[in-house]
Amino acid sequence: NAGVTQTPKFQVLKTGQSMTLQCAQDMNHNSMYWYRQDPGMGLRLIYYSASEGTTDKGEVPNGYNVSRLNKREFSLRLESAAPSQTSVYFCASSPADRAHTEAFFGQGTRLTVV
Amino acid sequence: AQKITQTQPGMFVQEKEAVTLDCTYDTSDPSYGLFWYKQPSSGEMIFLIYQGSYDQQNATEGRYSLNFQKARKSANLVISASQLGDSAMYFCAMRERYNFNKFYFGSGTKLNVKP
Repeated sequence: NAGVTQTPKFQVLKTGQSMTLQCAQDMNHNSMYWYRQDPGMGLRLIYYSASEGTTDKGEVPNGYNVSRLNKREFSLRLESAAPSQTSVYFCASSPADRAHTEAFFGQGTRLTVV
Repeated sequence: AQKITQTQPGMFVQEKEAVTLDCTYDTSDPSYGLFWYKQPSSGEMIFLIYQGSYDQQNATEGRYSLNFQKARKSANLVISASQLGDSAMYFCAMRERYNFNKFYFGSGTKLNVKP
């Protein structure tokens, strides 16, 4: 039972480098999310996708882009990494048709930008 | 305004005692869900318990229960008989019916269980 799979688990980038965080879910969920977690700030929503082909900004979208490649996959791209983007990134998914179902999370990606 | 507020950045509890983690929320949607997650030091997010806004009874899952006070807009997590393995970050979250594509999370409470 894979659930939500994120890659990579750890990454160190230099300022200005780009990278893509990959996320895939095998639960046939419509909704997918990218969060970042910083100490004392909880989880903040970067982008979400309600269904294949749609994406919307969350609280902190600046510096990020996303792609909902298909129903399974939702990637997060940092075009020009900055130290302020050092964080733990979580991908999550959930059925889109109900408000009463929990989100399922990946294991997280610990990103350090130096 | 914050959708979810957790006012206890850190808490200590003695092993085998009960502990309550506070959560208040803000919504005008009559239909919503409230969730608690546990994040141990290993980092994964573990779903613990769910409470629906129309549920008449407080949710329970094993040693976890949710003290739901709708009029006060609070959804406190109660952990009975604390164990060392309960030491973790705990997050409260909400999902609204009319905006069901978003989950709102609080800033979390770090619980330390003392032997």
